[in-house]
Amino acid sequence: DAGITQSPRHKVTETGTPVTLRCHQTENHRYMYWYRQDPGHGLRLIHYSYGVKDTDKGEVSDGYSVSRSKTEDFLLTLESATSSQTSVYFCAISSDRGGNQPQHFGDGTRLSIL
Amino acid sequence: DAKTTQPPSMDCAEGRAANLPCNHSTISGNEYVYWYRQIHSQGPQYIIHGLKNNETNEMASLIITEDRKSSTLILPHATLRDTAVYYCIVGEAAGNKLTFGGGTRVLVKP
Repeated sequence: DAGITQSPRHKVTETGTPVTLRCHQTENHRYMYWYRQDPGHGLRLIHYSYGVKDTDKGEVSDGYSVSRSKTEDFLLTLESATSSQTSVYFCAISSDRGGNQPQHFGDGTRLSIL
Repeated sequence: DAKTTQPPSMDCAEGRAANLPCNHSTISGNEYVYWYRQIHSQGPQYIIHGLKNNETNEMASLIITEDRKSSTLILPHATLRDTAVYYCIVGEAAGNKLTFGGGTRVLVKP
């Protein structure tokens, strides 16, 4: 299995509080991604990174920010959490050895905003 | 929108081969076919991918038609632990988003 660790694995917090999710990889892969998964929507891309300090928005980026100061860590921040951001969040990584390299996923963070 | 079409569900007998079809009639020349599965609430697990040649690894085989408009994932000897939702995805994974459709819910029965 790809060396991906997501933390925390579960979190319950209140509306309006800031939340930061961490994705840590030990593969030295260039690309990192944050997805969310909700019933009826499948996985949707929030943000992704193509290198240290290089990030871009995905299809559902509103209300989220990211940072990547080191190759191994990709942080997802909800500045002021809302109930609509209750979801399961998955981090993924892929290498840059050709465009066909698959993405590998972490085990997810289950986030509940009350 | 997902660029693939899969049956919503299928059953398979334990120990038998499971053949999962996928249609991707709008696939472009540089797009690969990827298969993932998701067991319960775990993260999607990569299974296999291919461009135009058939591929095999320790988990499965991937058969892609000559016109590349469809493919079949074969689990050679299904076990109960293979019960999962299987996703067929086309695109270039590295540096791009993956678009997951509804997938096929596979139930392996004893």
